[in-house]
Amino acid sequence: AQKVTQAQTEISVVEKEDVTLDCVYETRDTTYYLFWYKQPPSGELVFLIRRNSFDEQNEISGRYSWNFQKSTSSFNFTITASQVVDSAVYFCALSEANQAGTALIFGKGTTLSVSS
Amino acid sequence: DTEVTQTPKHLVMGMTNKKSLKCEQHMGHRAMYWYKQKAKKPPELMFVYSYEKLSINESVPSRFSPECPNSSLLNLHLHALQPEDSALYLCASSQAGLEPDTQYFGPGTRLTVL
Repeated sequence: AQKVTQAQTEISVVEKEDVTLDCVYETRDTTYYLFWYKQPPSGELVFLIRRNSFDEQNEISGRYSWNFQKSTSSFNFTITASQVVDSAVYFCALSEANQAGTALIFGKGTTLSVSS
Repeated sequence: DTEVTQTPKHLVMGMTNKKSLKCEQHMGHRAMYWYKQKAKKPPELMFVYSYEKLSINESVPSRFSPECPNSSLLNLHLHALQPEDSALYLCASSQAGLEPDTQYFGPGTRLTVL
């Protein structure tokens, strides 16, 4: 069965600190897709990244970076020099291939609070 | 333009009311989704439409009735809801194909059932 675990329920940091959000997934498929979404207090889920199981390259986008390691089934997300605007709930999600319009399996989310 | 719009933003309804939630996208996506999200929980899938046909119904009670009039619009008709149905209802859309594509979400409708 597919499963996404975000063990960190809440994280609090002070501005300019680096923070890593952990995501561990379970799937029996060899082809699958991983996602990160941000949900600010306004409620909208904002897409951050999509990664397929064949692409293990780490990615950097500004202050955001992602570390995908198939050996440990992890897809961790790091925010460098955090800012107050980064305060939100962050969800990691898994989707399997060959199923059009299939569901995202979400982790329970990590609430990040960045104080000034 | 990766925009999905939802109306209304807020809705308060009694248990005997009938109301509808609306969702619209103009990204040419052919898959559309309804999710329900309770406070401090992840979104839970309710329905998936692929090429305007219902492809997934996650055993949702019949008081929720989805409708996809065309490829850009998705409605959720509500009737005889219960207070426990109060939640944030999120619509999403994506390409429909063999590979799961990115789902883009709307801002949601916050529903309160009295």
